[in-house]
Amino acid sequence: NAGVTQTPKFRILKIGQSMTLQCTQDMNHNYMYWYRQDPGMGLKLIYYSVGAGITDKGEVPNGYNVSRSTTEDFPLRLELAAPSQTSVYFCASSFIQLSNQPQHFGDGTRLSIL
Amino acid sequence: DAKTTQPNSMESNEEEPVHLPCNHSTISGTDYIHWYRQLPSQGPEYVIHGLTSNVNNRMASLAIAEDRKSSTLILHRATLRDAAVYYCILRDEGYGGSQGNLIFGKGTKLSVKP
Repeated sequence: NAGVTQTPKFRILKIGQSMTLQCTQDMNHNYMYWYRQDPGMGLKLIYYSVGAGITDKGEVPNGYNVSRSTTEDFPLRLELAAPSQTSVYFCASSFIQLSNQPQHFGDGTRLSIL
Repeated sequence: DAKTTQPNSMESNEEEPVHLPCNHSTISGTDYIHWYRQLPSQGPEYVIHGLTSNVNNRMASLAIAEDRKSSTLILHRATLRDAAVYYCILRDEGYGGSQGNLIFGKGTKLSVKP
């Protein structure tokens, strides 16, 4: 089982460049999430989606955009990369948003902006 | 948002039991207690969760205080592979929307000595 797959694993961007972080899951999960993790810190929620066509902001959405055209895919877009967006980005999914349903995480994308 | 307090770090010897504490004095009646762990260079991984009663699964046990203001994650025989950051998270029972989103703190970094 592939679970949650994130690409690329590593990327270096220059300030002002744009890129899309890809996330796909093969578990037919309704809910998908994007988190970022800065060094030595816990994860912070950027955006989440409750199903295809529906997205909502999390704790730290500024500078990011998302879309959810299919159940499987939930890409995260950085339009104008800034040094403050240097971080590790994790995508996650869950079947439904009930407290007894765990979230399944990908292995992350390590992004450096110079 | 409900908060949890965990020690920054703990050490254990291989094949000995480990008790990871978590305080959550402001827990509400509908908050589930979740534990995730994050191995080095990986995304978080679900460990266990509970509401009021103690819980066991193949990975660990969760002991919840009678007043629910604290809990303890128990690894019965620590292995080198258990070296990770362990997060104790309160998750609202609510269905849909932002309710039930995971809010990560800094967690407890567990070191396991051979």
